Amino acid sequence: NAGVTQTPKFQVLKTGQSMTLQCAQDMNHEYMSWYRQDPGMGLRLIHYSVGAGITDQGEVPNGYNVSRSTTEDFPLRLLSAAPSQTSVYFCASSAIWTGGNTEAFFGQGTRLTVV
Amino acid sequence: GDSVTQMEGPVTLSEEAFLTINCTYTATGYPSLFWYVQYPGEGLQLLLKATKADDKGSNKGFEATYRKETTSFHLEKGSVQVSDSAVYFCALRITGANSKLTFGKGITLSVRP
Repeated sequence: NAGVTQTPKFQVLKTGQSMTLQCAQDMNHEYMSWYRQDPGMGLRLIHYSVGAGITDQGEVPNGYNVSRSTTEDFPLRLLSAAPSQTSVYFCASSAIWTGGNTEAFFGQGTRLTVV
Repeated sequence: GDSVTQMEGPVTLSEEAFLTINCTYTATGYPSLFWYVQYPGEGLQLLLKATKADDKGSNKGFEATYRKETTSFHLEKGSVQVSDSAVYFCALRITGANSKLTFGKGITLSVRP
């Protein structure tokens, strides 16, 4: 049972570099999302998607792009990395919320450092 | 907007002590409430949930009751273990296709032997 798989686990970037954080899920979930976790801030939503071809902004979208070409994959792109983007990033997926049993499943996280 | 407020941390307890972690919320609709736990070096995993008022969620000895009148979902455990050391997040989600999980800031629990 793979669940939600994130790669890489660790990454160091120089300011201005670009990169893509990968996220894949094998549970056929419609809903996928990206969060960043910073000390004292909890988890903040960056972008989310309710299905292939549909994405929307969350609480802190600036500096990040996403796309959803398939149900399984939801990559997060940093176009020009900044030190303020140093964080731990989590991808999550769940079935579309219907008020019932819609647990969100999280990946292991990507620890990103921008120098 | 929707928000979740957790008590300030960190919390340090001795093994077998009683645990309470406070969580209150504000929501524009009728939320479902969750507690997620993050063990060191891992992602978040669901600990328990409640989807309507007066529901009690429970798992691994932890319990939380959905109190609509006080907009609260406090987490309790009667006797903590060293293995409970982790970060605990309270969260809410409003029913709807575009609904998002809204998290509190999390609280770090350390349990001493």
